[in-house]
Amino acid sequence: GAGVSQTPSNKVTEKGKYVELRCDPISGHTALYWYRQSLGQGPEFLIYFQGTGAADDSGLPNDRFFAVRPEGSVSTLKIQRTERGDSAVYLCASSSQAGATNEQFFGPGTRLTVL
Amino acid sequence: AQTVTQSQPEMSVQEAETVTLSCTYDTSENNYYLFWYKQPPSRQMILVIRQEAYKQQNATENRFSVNFQKAAKSFSLKISDSQLGDTAMYFCDSSHPDHSNYQLIWGAGTKLIIKP
Repeated sequence: GAGVSQTPSNKVTEKGKYVELRCDPISGHTALYWYRQSLGQGPEFLIYFQGTGAADDSGLPNDRFFAVRPEGSVSTLKIQRTERGDSAVYLCASSSQAGATNEQFFGPGTRLTVL
Repeated sequence: AQTVTQSQPEMSVQEAETVTLSCTYDTSENNYYLFWYKQPPSRQMILVIRQEAYKQQNATENRFSVNFQKAAKSFSLKISDSQLGDTAMYFCDSSHPDHSNYQLIWGAGTKLIIKP
């Protein structure tokens, strides 16, 4: 079956603009994660969904970042008033259920560049 | 707080050689899981191998094996008979069941280059 997909693969925007990044998890996966990966670093956790609800959004850096998953499948990460420091690869992962042993399957990421 | 440390920013070996990537972690919990993920230039993060902390036996997946030293909090990855396709960033991770979100705690990564 299809893996996790993310669109767009690359996004270039200007400082101050609004962007949306989309994640399509593997069908049937109830857990969904967003991570941010800056150049030369490991990913850092942003937010975790179990079903439709954000079970933990403690990794979101500030209130310019918001994510939704209205139907428990597709998720959208929204960034308002983008700043140059938001430039990074945004990774989405899903797993069949929440659990430390459950493998997280990753999408290819969206590379966001804020000019 | 849980942390994961990878002290080798970059390594390179000749094809067919064996290479070991180092990872240490810090946690006060007894129940946790450790992972190695591979990220090739395509950016697709792929699980290489997984280890449950309560299991003493080291995990093995084909050419990939780990040396899990729980007391030393060390979790190294050994790649045998390395292949050109093994060239990638390798990340060591931990996950903790007692946390509400099961997020992965990531190391900074090791860039592995396999030379022909």
